[in-house]
Amino acid sequence: GAVVSQHPSRVICKSGTSVKIECRSLDFQATTMFWYRQFPKKSLMLMATSNEGSKATYEQGVEKDKFLINHASLTLSTLTVTSAHPEDSSFYICSAGTSGSQETQYFGPGTRLLVL
Amino acid sequence: GESVGLHLPTLSVQEGDNSIINCAYSNSASDYFIWYKQESGKGPQFIIDIRSNMDKRQGQRVTVLLNKTVKHLSLQIAATQPGDSAVYFCAENFSYDKVIFGPGTSLSVIP
Repeated sequence: GAVVSQHPSRVICKSGTSVKIECRSLDFQATTMFWYRQFPKKSLMLMATSNEGSKATYEQGVEKDKFLINHASLTLSTLTVTSAHPEDSSFYICSAGTSGSQETQYFGPGTRLLVL
Repeated sequence: GESVGLHLPTLSVQEGDNSIINCAYSNSASDYFIWYKQESGKGPQFIIDIRSNMDKRQGQRVTVLLNKTVKHLSLQIAATQPGDSAVYFCAENFSYDKVIFGPGTSLSVIP
């Protein structure tokens, strides 16, 4: 099946710094990518939809200036957590699909962010 | 808002027994559903999907049943193995592939 990678897999940063997380589709082109966050023992919560070449669409309650999303190519989307705080510590997961029709989403392995 | 939910947050089964994980959804307009398996510290892994024009779909050791009348979805795992221990999520695929997850069920297999 299709492979989605994320980098880094784990990151620890100081409060107030910014962290960039990359999501790549390795063997297919993804017109749409999605970003989720997951707290321990909780479900995945959709944060935003990343569309190649256009602005991301954010879910209600997600601050777009806090979580910057860039989808510059058909194989790469980035999520930047700006001015990170301890409450931003979470597991961030991306997924990618191949088209606008209902196709299976492929998930990345996740990025564990810890803000000290 | 509309959401996808689960009946049981945890499930323990004996190795070799069959497992049934249930899910209730509330969006009657949804027409595509997916089951994912998530192991600790990893991303969700696709297990099986089903479209609303079907009521049953089988894979290898897994079967998904869809009852649109009562908006209920279930995942059946035959001959459950220790490697099946994980959290299972049902998910609802909205337009443009937007996937909304249910709260999840933790499956624990007892050797």
